[in-house]
Amino acid sequence: EVQLVESGGGVAQPGGSLRLSCAVSGFPLSNYHMKWVRQAPGKGLEWVSYIGRSGGPIYYADSVRGRFTISRDNARNSLYLQMDSLRDDDTAVYYCARDSGYAGRIDYWGQGTLVTVSS
Amino acid sequence: QSALTQPASVSGSPGQSITVSCTGTSNDIGGYDYVSWYQQHPGKGPKLIIYDVNNRPAGVSNRFSGSKSGNTASLTISGLQAEDEADYYCSSYSDIDTHIFGGGSRLTVL
Repeated sequence: EVQLVESGGGVAQPGGSLRLSCAVSGFPLSNYHMKWVRQAPGKGLEWVSYIGRSGGPIYYADSVRGRFTISRDNARNSLYLQMDSLRDDDTAVYYCARDSGYAGRIDYWGQGTLVTVSS
Repeated sequence: QSALTQPASVSGSPGQSITVSCTGTSNDIGGYDYVSWYQQHPGKGPKLIIYDVNNRPAGVSNRFSGSKSGNTASLTISGLQAEDEADYYCSSYSDIDTHIFGGGSRLTVL
């Protein structure tokens, strides 16, 4: 069974940092591109970042470029998102998602981890 | 503002059919048969229910179907059930953006 489990969410102050992790099981992480997608409270889905199977290429949404860093450790079956210089509008549930490899389609999602940026 | 346009809400009675629309442009929906639909229940992660316009992943009920005409894709749910009450999001491949979604449609089963 494919599973993606996010962790690391919590409360951070504006300008602060958090590191999200996503532990995957049920498939070899090294075979798949991966993404982070977020959902602000009561809002829709927003793509955040993409990382290729072997760690590249890497892409970011304009809203997070220069502040967030995506990475992966295939040997540990884990995906990460380092979030620095956090802003109020980064408050959201962050989902780890598997890219099917076809036209960027996401085929599996985690349950999400809530990040709240507040002073 | 989302790249793809969906109605904010739709509703129907048990047993009825409903359709959710998703409108894009020739750079995404209109140019490619790579439209996906996701179902999201409160507090849960999204679940893929339709891919490549009209294909269902294994285990998804055949009450869910998809179609496309021009720049608009549609999700139809037939024989509405209470468990179908959820938010539905469309997504499409785009040749000018990395990954785009619709704003989501909340389905209420009356």
